[in-house]
Amino acid sequence: QKEVEQNSGPLSVPEGAIASLNCTYSDRGSQSFFWYRQYSGKSPELIMFIYSNGDKEDGRFTAQLNKASQYVSLLIRDSQPSDSATYLCAVNKDDMRFGAGTRLTVKP
Amino acid sequence: DAGVIQSPRHEVTEMGQEVTLRCKPISGHNSLFWYRQTMMRGLELLIYFNNNVPIDDSGMPEDRFSAKMPNASFSTLKIQPSEPRDSAVYFCASSLAPGGQPQHFGDGTRLSIL
Repeated sequence: QKEVEQNSGPLSVPEGAIASLNCTYSDRGSQSFFWYRQYSGKSPELIMFIYSNGDKEDGRFTAQLNKASQYVSLLIRDSQPSDSATYLCAVNKDDMRFGAGTRLTVKP
Repeated sequence: DAGVIQSPRHEVTEMGQEVTLRCKPISGHNSLFWYRQTMMRGLELLIYFNNNVPIDDSGMPEDRFSAKMPNASFSTLKIQPSEPRDSAVYFCASSLAPGGQPQHFGDGTRLSIL
């Protein structure tokens, strides 16, 4: 079992829709959870982090964490073509472990 | 503030040659991480340092890879001898602490071994 699992996609949504990205992790002791966005040919860029169960909102982005289910998700509201990228879930206990990423395409 | 600075941005060399990648972390960040990214394997942690001390090098693929952090503002990742399968993008990242803190990535070094 991989430490951090994501659906590789591609996930395709129309412009203006909600994009839902999901991630599960295996280590129950994990304490911090991050979402990174990576455009093709660029480096990962932090967009959200969450430490506690529940929802955390930042603009069009909402991170959701359920530690009991070992599940973290990212919702992108009002998706824009500029949101098209690969989204990496990262889970941190002693060090950071990344998922393989979900490729999101937002179609105009 | 300057972000994480990596050099070179691109490196093309022949197999068997020594390759040295360089990284300057964000000032004040105590932890530094080296990653390798390929299409097949995604983003892999190779090694990380805390306060200039290597903490976990279990991700280093083999003895041909070595990393050093002689001071708080500089780290190197060396491959000797290089092989075609080492071709990848190598990222350096830094954070305030090894656990619980967001990591900030450099632009990466795209390495091609011919």
